[in-house]
Amino acid sequence: DTGVSQNPRHKITKRGQNVTFRCDPISEHNRLYWYRQTLGQGPEFLTYFQNEAQLEKSRLLSDRFSAERPKGSFSTLEIQRTEQGDSAMYLCASSLGRVINSPLHFGNGTRLTVT
Amino acid sequence: GQQLNQSPQSMFIQEGEDVSMNCTSSSIFNTWLWYKQDPGEGPVLLIALYKAGELTSNGRLTAQFGITRKDSFLNISASIPSDVGIYFCAGPRLNYGGSQGNLIFGKGTKLSVKP
Repeated sequence: DTGVSQNPRHKITKRGQNVTFRCDPISEHNRLYWYRQTLGQGPEFLTYFQNEAQLEKSRLLSDRFSAERPKGSFSTLEIQRTEQGDSAMYLCASSLGRVINSPLHFGNGTRLTVT
Repeated sequence: GQQLNQSPQSMFIQEGEDVSMNCTSSSIFNTWLWYKQDPGEGPVLLIALYKAGELTSNGRLTAQFGITRKDSFLNISASIPSDVGIYFCAGPRLNYGGSQGNLIFGKGTKLSVKP
């Protein structure tokens, strides 16, 4: 399968713990996005990378959140000192930057539950 | 800020029925996207619209980009059980110089099978 891969699929953690999620985009895609989706809502944009550069960050991305894409391939999203309000599905998407209107391909997400 | 309003919020379908849903905004979008999301999976792009007035089909699905650029509709003809899921409209946030992948999503229209 050559789609966007996200790990883990599910994560349960206690409030105050740190968690890290990984996203492996489609191999030739140079753009990578993180979104968050809560129950009954559509996905909300968090941040965007072009290659290894983080070019956009939403106001939703508080300083407890940090995303990296060190070699321009896979990306990690870390949440420090998790809060119950962080419980959500975290979706990663990728696209081919050099193609105009290249569609976003989403992974199946990491569902985070903070107890 | 930009928002997308989808209606109806939910609907029940019987196999063979045609289905219609729409998406409106108080601000202009230059692209309209329709995604479908199945439980536990990421959204999958169904149709992309890039020009006002454009009518595009993908199998039994037809979508139109409203001429005011503030609305779009999606029709599904002769529905089948696998059409069940949540349908989202989305469009790029108006953020000059920002990525076309910074999308705003509606809250979705949930399609279920009539009991």
